[in-house]
Amino acid sequence: GQSLEQPSEVTAVEGAIVQINCTYQTSGFYGLSWYQQHDGGAPTFLSYNALDGLEETGRFSSFLSRSDSYGYLLLQELQMKDSASYFCAVRDDTGRRALTFGSGTRLQVQP
Amino acid sequence: NAGVTQTPKFQVLKTGQSMTLQCAQDMNHEYMSWYRQDPGMGLRLIHYSVGAGITDQGEVPNGYNVSRSTTEDFPLRLLSAAPSQTSVYFCASSHGTGLQETQYFGPGTRLLVL
Repeated sequence: GQSLEQPSEVTAVEGAIVQINCTYQTSGFYGLSWYQQHDGGAPTFLSYNALDGLEETGRFSSFLSRSDSYGYLLLQELQMKDSASYFCAVRDDTGRRALTFGSGTRLQVQP
Repeated sequence: NAGVTQTPKFQVLKTGQSMTLQCAQDMNHEYMSWYRQDPGMGLRLIHYSVGAGITDQGEVPNGYNVSRSTTEDFPLRLLSAAPSQTSVYFCASSHGTGLQETQYFGPGTRLLVL
């Protein structure tokens, strides 16, 4: 089966940088995705890494190391609106075109 | 485009009742899926469909049925509701671009089973 591990909660202050880590176990790897979910809202796609290295999208960056089965999401210049849950996800390795999600990291941004 | 829409937004059921959660998408995506999200947890796959007329089970299919008669619609039926089915239900659609599978989620249906 597949499993993803990420911290349950992270706290940071406005303007700071925060890193949310994700380690995964999967027999077939098709890339690591990140989703953001505000309280009461739906998950929305943030980024995707298929190859090793850093992908940058504005204030958000995502990193992948396939050899370490590890990735992280980096949020810079934190804003209050970044307070949300962040999920890493890998594509299902049983042939289903679905995602297996981690349990999520709740980010609290403080003034 | 409305994207992925779900109805109802909220629902309260009594144990043993049945109901259908509606999901529709207007992006012509071939792939659709249903997830449930319990407090403090990630999303777990219930059922999915790779195209009209084709459905299959996900990780937690028991107690749920689906059908896919059109590309646009993918309803989820609860056969006999149980308190353990209290959850938030998300419908998602996607189209594959190589190996990446970006899921577009609906706003969710919050279900309480008493």
